[in-house]
Amino acid sequence: DSGVTQTPKHLITATGQRVTLRCSPRSGDLSVYWYQQSLDQGLQFLIQYYNGEERAKGNILERFSAQQFPDLHSELNLSSLELGDSALYFCASSPSWGATDTQYFGPGTRLTVL
Amino acid sequence: TQLLEQSPQFLSIQEGENLTVYCNSSSVFSSLQWYRQEPGEGPVLLVTVVTGGEVKKLKRLTFQFGDARKDSSLHITAAQPGDTGLYLCAGLFYNTNAGKSTFGDGTTLTVKP
Repeated sequence: DSGVTQTPKHLITATGQRVTLRCSPRSGDLSVYWYQQSLDQGLQFLIQYYNGEERAKGNILERFSAQQFPDLHSELNLSSLELGDSALYFCASSPSWGATDTQYFGPGTRLTVL
Repeated sequence: TQLLEQSPQFLSIQEGENLTVYCNSSSVFSSLQWYRQEPGEGPVLLVTVVTGGEVKKLKRLTFQFGDARKDSSLHITAAQPGDTGLYLCAGLFYNTNAGKSTFGDGTTLTVKP
């Protein structure tokens, strides 16, 4: 158990819908990262927040957005969902944001778009 | 774009055999992590290496970081069926000022009893 929690574990929805994924980092960690893992693209970095502020951005679509709240939990919002958005979405956390920080992953949310 | 290449992509061996998987880049890492992931689960951290030439051991697993910090290897001795999984390396590159890890595509290891 990494100490990172994610809800829900599974989510099934239809195209065009909007969903929110939630992540609680390990106690004391200030950074939260979001990743997408699909069968054909491996683990792709989406976005990082550090202490409530966006720190780094990866391959995140404009239909996707995230935020980190004062209690340090984070939410990833996915809108206008498409079939290709079906994937595992992982949240990770680390103590800070530095180049040697190790990231600890949550169990993931499996999103299925029908 | 900074890329990590992992090899081999797939590896299927018998219980008791030894194996090595590799992680390479043309850029220098500030740190590198190895993870193991089982289907439908999140990656689980195995080790972090930071210093060039560093060797770390975790039971039957030996991790080596290249002297130039551009490559790493994971060696498993006497593999067991429980070692089956996806092994991912992830690097934080030296010129990145945020914790933006780049992941390799992984090595899928199957250990047959």
